[in-house]
Amino acid sequence: AQSVTQPDIHITVSEGASLELRCNYSYGATPYLFWYVQSPGQGLQLLLKYFSGDTLVQGIKGFEAEFKRSQSSFNLRKPSVHWSDAAEYFCAVGPPGGGATNKLIFGTGTLLAVQP
Amino acid sequence: DTGVSQDPRHKITKRGQNVTFRCDPISEHNRLYWYRQTLGQGPEFLTYFQNEAQLEKSRLLSDRFSAERPKGSFSTLEIQRTEQGDSAMYLCASSPRGTADGEKLFFGSGTQLSVL
Repeated sequence: AQSVTQPDIHITVSEGASLELRCNYSYGATPYLFWYVQSPGQGLQLLLKYFSGDTLVQGIKGFEAEFKRSQSSFNLRKPSVHWSDAAEYFCAVGPPGGGATNKLIFGTGTLLAVQP
Repeated sequence: DTGVSQDPRHKITKRGQNVTFRCDPISEHNRLYWYRQTLGQGPEFLTYFQNEAQLEKSRLLSDRFSAERPKGSFSTLEIQRTEQGDSAMYLCASSPRGTADGEKLFFGSGTQLSVL
């Protein structure tokens, strides 16, 4: 079955500290991979995506993620967290090879709190 | 580009009542999606339109749910005979033609439904 696992429900980091949010997936083939961020009262915003090629992808707001095929993982990282990064983060997968359904499968999310 | 707009932002209803939500996608986006997000979960795909055609429906979309996009622009999602289990955030998203899955998927802020 296709699924996305975000093992950390809630993470608290200090401002300026580094961050890593974990994401593992189960899929028949290497899917398209995404990280979204959701702030309170806001819609989901795409941080970054991986389709193919370089396994380290850069996104907006200083985030990056690394695809590791052997571990079926796509962990999100940021070297120095800002208070404005406090939000909920969702990892998602989509069918590889194109198509138009945008039928993404989301993880359950990781809620990030940032301490001053 | 004014973003994906959803109305209302919040809806409180009594069990058994019918409710209707509206989504206005980004203009010229031919694809429109509905997702549902329950507390502590990631968004789950409900249905997808390409122009006015509803091309896919999730099994989550029971016969009490109906979605329309009559002119290929805005869309409505109606829930008949609401149940407490329908309480969730209903998210709408749109994407332009010619893009791969998730490549350019824009989410609205959602309609939060509470069924009492």
